[in-house]
Order: sequence, then C-alpha cells, then structure tokens
Amino acid sequence: EAGVTQFPSHSVIEKGQTVTLRCDPISGHDNLYWYRRVMGKEIKFLLHFVKESKQDESGMPNNRFLAERTGGTYSTLKVQPAELEDSGVYFCASSQRRVIDTQYFGPGTRLTVL
Amino acid sequence: AQSVTQLDSHVSVSEGTPVLLRCNYSSSYSPSLFWYVQHPNKGLQLLLKYTSAATLVKGINGFEAEFKKSETSFHLTKPSAHMSDAAEYFCVVSDPNTGKLIFGQGTTLQVKP
Repeated sequence: EAGVTQFPSHSVIEKGQTVTLRCDPISGHDNLYWYRRVMGKEIKFLLHFVKESKQDESGMPNNRFLAERTGGTYSTLKVQPAELEDSGVYFCASSQRRVIDTQYFGPGTRLTVL
Repeated sequence: AQSVTQLDSHVSVSEGTPVLLRCNYSSSYSPSLFWYVQHPNKGLQLLLKYTSAATLVKGINGFEAEFKKSETSFHLTKPSAHMSDAAEYFCVVSDPNTGKLIFGQGTTLQVKP
C-alpha cells in the first residue's frame, strides 16, 4: 500500500510568486491534515479535511493560504502571494475515519521564499 | 488547552548506551500521546502511541514509553542506542475532538560511535 505522497519535495520561489503544494493521502483515508514547520519552531497544525469538507482551518496563518481537496482525494495548498515568512516544511498527514485514528505523514515539501 | 514540552533540544549518547528523551504534557482530557521520529530527509514516522490502555507502551525499533499521570510525563527510552537511531524525535498530543496533533519542539538525538 502506498503511503502519503507530497509534491514537490522542494520548491524555491521569489517573494510575491505563487506556489501550489500537493498531497496524495493513503487511499481510503477520509481525514487529511496539513501541518507546517517554520525554521526553529515546532510543527504546527494548519487545517483538517474530512473527505472534501474543511473541518477545521483554525491554523491557517492568513488569507494568502488556500487549501482544497477535490472529490475527497488529493489536496492542494496554494500560497499566493508568497512572503519570506512562509518558508518552511509543509507536511501532509492522513488517517482513516475516526479522529483518533493514527495519522500517517508524507515526507514534506520544503518551501524556500527568497 | 493541550500542550507538550520536550525538556531537551539535543541529547547525545554513545552507541550501546541507554536513551532517554523527556516529555511532559498538559491536557484537560485523558490524553492520546505519541512519539514520532524524523530521520534526515525523511517523513515523520510513528514510533509508538498511548491511548489509555497499558501505561507502558512498546514501539518499533526497541523504543518504549511510559505514561505517568502523576508526573504528567511520557518519556521515551531505549536500552541500547544504535547509530541508526540518530534523528529528531517529537512528542505529540492529539486533540480528542478534532484529531489535530500538537507537537513538542523536538529533540535531536546524536549517537556517537
């Protein structure tokens, strides 16, 4: 069974540009989470999808971030326009049906904004 | 509110000696606690989890953790470190209503030959 995959693994962009990160969860997992680790800080929750619905987006830093989950399958996280402080590693995780089910993480996308 | 505090940002041990990574938690509920590990250039991997069953939890690669409610601790141990254990370790608590994970700051484990 394939694990959680993320694309790209690295992205380097200029301030003001747009970047879209993609996450493919484990097949059949209803829950999909995005987390972020900014340099020197702890990993923090961004948002949670249940199937295609946003369940909790309390961790989204501002309206430059837009997440979608088309048809309850893969998810994208768009940053537009990117700022320097958006640099960090973005992780995606998925779990089966219950919120207490174990979350399985992808390898992360390292975003560098210059 | 829930939180976890990892008491050491870096731990260095010699190969073959015991490992102790310390974690204290704060939770209004009976917590679900986890340890995840991240090896260089890899994703986060679940080592073990506690969900109110046995207080001593065994995980992968010889790691275990003991839930101590009186001390609000969930320390990670391993009897004998291996070079391949060098990685960053995260103590994590989950929100029981939403499932979102709250991470500690991480502890980098260095294993010297």
